[in-house]
Amino acid sequence: QSALTQPASVSGSPGQSITISCTGTSSDVGGYNFVSWYQQHPGKAPKLMIYHVNNRPSGVSNRFSGSKSANTASLTISGLQAEDESDYYCASYTSSNTLVFGGGTKLTVL
Amino acid sequence: EVQLVQSGAEVKKPGESLKISCKGSGYTFTNYWIGWVRQMPGKGLEWMGIIYPGDSDTIYSPSFQGQVTISADKSINTASLQWSSLKASDTAVYYCARPRTTETFSGGFDIWGQGTMVTVSS
Repeated sequence: QSALTQPASVSGSPGQSITISCTGTSSDVGGYNFVSWYQQHPGKAPKLMIYHVNNRPSGVSNRFSGSKSANTASLTISGLQAEDESDYYCASYTSSNTLVFGGGTKLTVL
Repeated sequence: EVQLVQSGAEVKKPGESLKISCKGSGYTFTNYWIGWVRQMPGKGLEWMGIIYPGDSDTIYSPSFQGQVTISADKSINTASLQWSSLKASDTAVYYCARPRTTETFSGGFDIWGQGTMVTVSS
């Protein structure tokens, strides 16, 4: 199974909004509403930010939101803050009853 | 407090065997899957496989099938990841993670271990 496709990097200024895409196939992203997003700061374990495409775990800021259209899921961060600078990964359940991650996106807050 | 605590960093030589562990606490260990994720130096996350400690049902990523063995000992609330013959390319940080909900792993992982660094070098 191939990794989901994410842009290598995105950037934005404080206060702006950015969107990170995550493209798969009808066998993963497009076939199920089981897309999740993780934030990972250097040297730290990943943190769940979004599950089931557009649900936030308790404690995650409402500046983070998720969506999906066909085979592409998206993570949007609004009101960008310096602390949002991090690596972000999407993940999806697959038709093989496995999980697959995206390649990761480095977010830079300018 | 719900947590996963992993075993410490390892330095091994190519060809050696290794078993690292992940101990769960603060919840009913047998009710949740435990997954393993690899992160090679400077690279992204890779899903390796997952085990349900309740009945030891195990699913491997095709990329890792036959390369590692995932197991669990529910008597000590511990999941393990092992190699029979390490290669330099196994050098990575390995994370264990627990899904948000019981009996399924499709809804995201909200509890993560601190990671175990494995270095394989001659």
